[in-house]
Amino acid sequence: DGGITQSPKYLFRKEGQNVTLSCEQNLNHDAMYWYRQDPGQGLRLIYYSQIVNDFQKGDIAEGYSVSREKKESFPLTVTSAQKNPTAFYLCASSLHKLRGDRYTEAFFGQGTRLTVV
Amino acid sequence: LAKTTQPISMDSYEGQEVNITCSHNNIATNDYITWYQQFPSQGPRFIIQGYKTKVTNEVASLFIPADRKSSTLSLPRVSLSDTAVYYCLVVAAGNMLTFGGGTRLMVKP
Repeated sequence: DGGITQSPKYLFRKEGQNVTLSCEQNLNHDAMYWYRQDPGQGLRLIYYSQIVNDFQKGDIAEGYSVSREKKESFPLTVTSAQKNPTAFYLCASSLHKLRGDRYTEAFFGQGTRLTVV
Repeated sequence: LAKTTQPISMDSYEGQEVNITCSHNNIATNDYITWYQQFPSQGPRFIIQGYKTKVTNEVASLFIPADRKSSTLSLPRVSLSDTAVYYCLVVAAGNMLTFGGGTRLMVKP
Protein backbone atom coordinates (compact mmCIF):
# COMPACT_ATOMS: atom_id res chain seq x y z
CA ASP A 1 0.00 0.00 0.00
CA GLY A 2 1.17 3.53 -0.72
CA GLY A 3 1.72 5.76 2.24
CA ILE A 4 4.04 7.59 4.56
CA THR A 5 5.70 5.79 7.45
CA GLN A 6 7.29 7.23 10.54
CA SER A 7 9.39 5.25 12.97
CA PRO A 8 9.63 4.67 15.79
CA LYS A 9 6.23 5.50 17.24
CA TYR A 10 7.73 6.24 20.66
CA LEU A 11 11.27 7.35 21.34
CA PHE A 12 13.11 8.13 24.54
CA ARG A 13 16.26 10.20 24.59
CA LYS A 14 18.69 11.07 27.29
CA GLU A 15 19.64 14.68 27.66
CA GLY A 16 22.64 15.60 25.54
CA GLN A 17 22.05 12.88 22.97
CA ASN A 18 21.24 13.28 19.32
CA VAL A 19 18.39 11.19 17.98
CA THR A 20 17.12 10.59 14.43
CA LEU A 21 13.48 10.17 13.47
CA SER A 22 12.72 8.26 10.31
CA CYS A 23 10.23 9.25 7.62
CA GLU A 24 9.71 7.22 4.44
CA GLN A 25 7.12 7.62 1.69
CA ASN A 26 6.33 5.52 -1.37
CA LEU A 27 3.87 7.97 -2.89
CA ASN A 28 6.44 9.40 -5.31
CA HIS A 29 5.87 12.80 -3.74
CA ASP A 30 8.33 15.60 -4.32
CA ALA A 31 7.77 17.65 -1.18
CA MET A 32 8.28 16.46 2.39
CA TYR A 33 7.82 18.26 5.71
CA TRP A 34 8.59 17.93 9.40
CA TYR A 35 6.35 19.43 12.06
CA ARG A 36 6.45 19.61 15.80
CA GLN A 37 3.32 19.58 17.93
CA ASP A 38 3.22 20.32 21.66
CA PRO A 39 0.25 19.33 23.83
CA GLY A 40 -2.86 21.34 22.99
CA GLN A 41 -1.05 23.31 20.32
CA GLY A 42 -1.05 23.48 16.54
CA LEU A 43 1.64 22.22 14.19
CA ARG A 44 4.84 24.20 13.78
CA LEU A 45 7.02 23.72 10.72
CA ILE A 46 10.60 22.62 11.38
CA TYR A 47 11.97 21.92 7.89
CA TYR A 48 10.61 21.23 4.46
CA SER A 49 12.07 19.91 1.23
CA GLN A 50 10.71 20.42 -2.26
CA ILE A 51 13.24 18.27 -4.08
CA VAL A 52 16.10 15.88 -3.45
CA ASN A 53 19.25 17.45 -2.01
CA ASP A 54 17.43 20.66 -1.16
CA PHE A 55 15.59 21.76 1.99
CA GLN A 56 14.55 24.98 3.74
CA LYS A 57 14.18 25.98 7.35
CA GLY A 58 10.74 26.42 8.76
CA ASP A 59 9.70 28.48 11.74
CA ILE A 60 11.53 26.49 14.44
CA ALA A 61 14.58 24.91 12.78
CA GLU A 62 17.07 25.66 15.58
CA GLY A 63 18.35 22.47 17.20
CA TYR A 64 17.20 20.29 14.31
CA SER A 65 18.83 19.02 11.13
CA VAL A 66 17.57 17.13 8.08
CA SER A 67 18.82 15.48 4.91
CA ARG A 68 17.12 14.61 1.63
CA GLU A 69 19.44 12.22 -0.18
CA LYS A 70 16.60 10.18 -1.62
CA LYS A 71 13.16 11.20 -2.79
CA GLU A 72 11.55 8.64 -0.50
CA SER A 73 13.32 9.59 2.72
CA PHE A 74 13.50 12.71 4.89
CA PRO A 75 15.06 11.90 8.28
CA LEU A 76 15.02 14.45 11.10
CA THR A 77 17.81 14.64 13.66
CA VAL A 78 17.02 16.23 16.99
CA THR A 79 20.34 17.47 18.28
CA SER A 80 21.50 18.21 21.80
CA ALA A 81 21.17 21.90 20.93
CA GLN A 82 17.38 21.56 21.03
CA LYS A 83 16.64 22.57 24.60
CA ASN A 84 13.10 21.25 24.87
CA PRO A 85 12.71 18.37 22.43
CA THR A 86 9.88 16.49 24.15
CA ALA A 87 7.02 16.69 21.65
CA PHE A 88 4.98 14.90 18.99
CA TYR A 89 6.74 14.96 15.62
CA LEU A 90 4.83 14.64 12.36
CA CYS A 91 6.17 14.04 8.88
CA ALA A 92 4.18 14.80 5.74
CA SER A 93 4.56 14.63 1.98
CA SER A 94 2.81 16.16 -1.00
CA LEU A 95 3.10 16.16 -4.76
CA HIS A 96 4.99 19.36 -5.33
CA LYS A 97 3.79 21.77 -7.94
CA LEU A 98 5.38 24.99 -9.05
CA ARG A 99 3.65 28.19 -8.08
CA GLY A 100 0.59 28.72 -10.18
CA ASP A 101 -0.21 25.05 -10.59
CA ARG A 102 -2.88 23.29 -8.66
CA TYR A 103 -1.97 22.31 -5.15
CA THR A 104 -2.37 18.70 -4.09
CA GLU A 105 -3.12 17.44 -0.62
CA ALA A 106 -0.50 16.45 1.92
CA PHE A 107 -0.40 13.06 3.57
CA PHE A 108 0.80 12.68 7.13
CA GLY A 109 2.49 9.86 8.98
CA GLN A 110 1.25 8.59 12.32
CA GLY A 111 3.84 10.57 14.23
CA THR A 112 6.72 9.91 16.61
CA ARG A 113 6.35 10.85 20.25
CA LEU A 114 9.77 11.87 21.60
CA THR A 115 10.41 12.06 25.33
CA VAL A 116 13.60 13.27 26.96
CA VAL A 117 14.42 11.34 30.13
CA LEU B 1 2.68 34.45 3.64
CA ALA B 2 -1.05 34.58 4.13
CA LYS B 3 -1.84 34.20 7.81
CA THR B 4 -5.09 32.58 8.89
CA THR B 5 -7.29 33.35 11.85
CA GLN B 6 -9.96 30.97 13.11
CA PRO B 7 -11.84 30.49 16.39
CA ILE B 8 -9.95 28.60 19.06
CA SER B 9 -12.86 26.35 19.95
CA MET B 10 -16.49 25.57 19.16
CA ASP B 11 -19.15 23.40 20.72
CA SER B 12 -22.00 21.69 18.93
CA TYR B 13 -24.52 18.88 19.37
CA GLU B 14 -25.02 15.74 17.38
CA GLY B 15 -27.08 16.25 14.25
CA GLN B 16 -26.39 19.96 13.95
CA GLU B 17 -24.62 21.72 11.10
CA VAL B 18 -21.31 23.28 12.10
CA ASN B 19 -19.75 26.22 10.33
CA ILE B 20 -16.14 27.19 11.03
CA THR B 21 -14.97 30.45 9.53
CA CYS B 22 -11.37 31.29 8.72
CA SER B 23 -10.06 34.71 7.76
CA HIS B 24 -7.09 35.14 5.43
CA ASN B 25 -6.91 38.80 4.48
CA ASN B 26 -3.55 38.57 2.71
CA ILE B 27 -4.31 35.64 0.45
CA ALA B 28 -2.43 35.74 -2.85
CA THR B 29 -3.91 35.23 -6.29
CA ASN B 30 -2.50 31.74 -6.73
CA ASP B 31 -3.15 30.47 -3.20
CA TYR B 32 -5.63 27.73 -2.44
CA ILE B 33 -7.61 27.33 0.77
CA THR B 34 -7.37 23.93 2.37
CA TRP B 35 -8.84 22.38 5.49
CA TYR B 36 -7.44 19.51 7.53
CA GLN B 37 -8.85 17.48 10.43
CA GLN B 38 -6.77 16.08 13.27
CA PHE B 39 -7.69 13.54 15.94
CA PRO B 40 -5.55 13.21 19.10
CA SER B 41 -2.17 11.53 18.58
CA GLN B 42 -2.72 11.26 14.84
CA GLY B 43 -1.50 13.19 11.82
CA PRO B 44 -3.88 15.66 10.17
CA ARG B 45 -6.09 14.43 7.37
CA PHE B 46 -7.12 16.41 4.29
CA ILE B 47 -10.81 17.35 4.23
CA ILE B 48 -11.41 19.77 1.40
CA GLN B 49 -9.77 22.36 -0.80
CA GLY B 50 -11.06 25.28 -2.83
CA TYR B 51 -10.12 28.39 -4.74
CA LYS B 52 -13.38 30.32 -5.01
CA THR B 53 -17.17 29.97 -4.70
CA LYS B 54 -18.31 26.64 -3.31
CA VAL B 55 -16.81 23.17 -3.17
CA THR B 56 -18.59 20.11 -1.81
CA ASN B 57 -17.45 16.55 -1.22
CA GLU B 58 -18.78 13.62 0.75
CA VAL B 59 -17.46 15.04 4.02
CA ALA B 60 -17.92 18.80 3.95
CA SER B 61 -18.61 21.96 2.00
CA LEU B 62 -16.33 24.94 1.61
CA PHE B 63 -17.71 28.41 0.94
CA ILE B 64 -15.40 31.11 -0.36
CA PRO B 65 -16.68 34.64 -1.11
CA ALA B 66 -15.59 36.57 -4.16
CA ASP B 67 -12.91 38.58 -2.33
CA ARG B 68 -11.42 35.30 -0.95
CA LYS B 69 -10.47 37.00 2.31
CA SER B 70 -12.32 34.39 4.32
CA SER B 71 -13.71 30.89 3.97
CA THR B 72 -16.22 28.75 5.83
CA LEU B 73 -16.00 25.03 6.39
CA SER B 74 -19.45 23.50 6.77
CA LEU B 75 -19.92 20.08 8.38
CA PRO B 76 -23.48 18.78 7.92
CA ARG B 77 -25.15 16.85 10.75
CA VAL B 78 -22.09 16.30 12.91
CA SER B 79 -21.65 13.22 15.06
CA LEU B 80 -19.50 12.54 18.13
CA SER B 81 -16.75 11.22 15.85
CA ASP B 82 -16.38 14.68 14.30
CA THR B 83 -14.85 15.92 17.55
CA ALA B 84 -11.40 17.00 16.41
CA VAL B 85 -9.19 19.97 15.62
CA TYR B 86 -9.82 21.62 12.27
CA TYR B 87 -7.08 23.59 10.55
CA CYS B 88 -7.47 26.19 7.83
CA LEU B 89 -4.45 26.61 5.57
CA VAL B 90 -3.64 28.94 2.75
CA VAL B 91 -1.06 27.29 0.58
CA ALA B 92 1.82 29.65 -0.07
CA ALA B 93 4.27 29.69 -2.98
CA GLY B 94 6.38 26.56 -3.16
CA ASN B 95 3.75 24.45 -1.40
CA MET B 96 5.04 25.16 2.09
CA LEU B 97 2.25 24.14 4.45
CA THR B 98 1.90 26.45 7.43
CA PHE B 99 -0.60 25.46 10.11
CA GLY B 100 -2.17 27.82 12.61
CA GLY B 101 -3.61 26.85 15.96
CA GLY B 102 -6.76 25.33 14.52
CA THR B 103 -10.31 25.18 15.89
CA ARG B 104 -11.15 22.56 18.50
CA LEU B 105 -14.64 21.27 17.76
CA MET B 106 -16.42 19.45 20.56
CA VAL B 107 -19.57 17.58 19.56
CA LYS B 108 -21.83 16.73 22.47
CA PRO B 109 -24.56 14.08 22.65
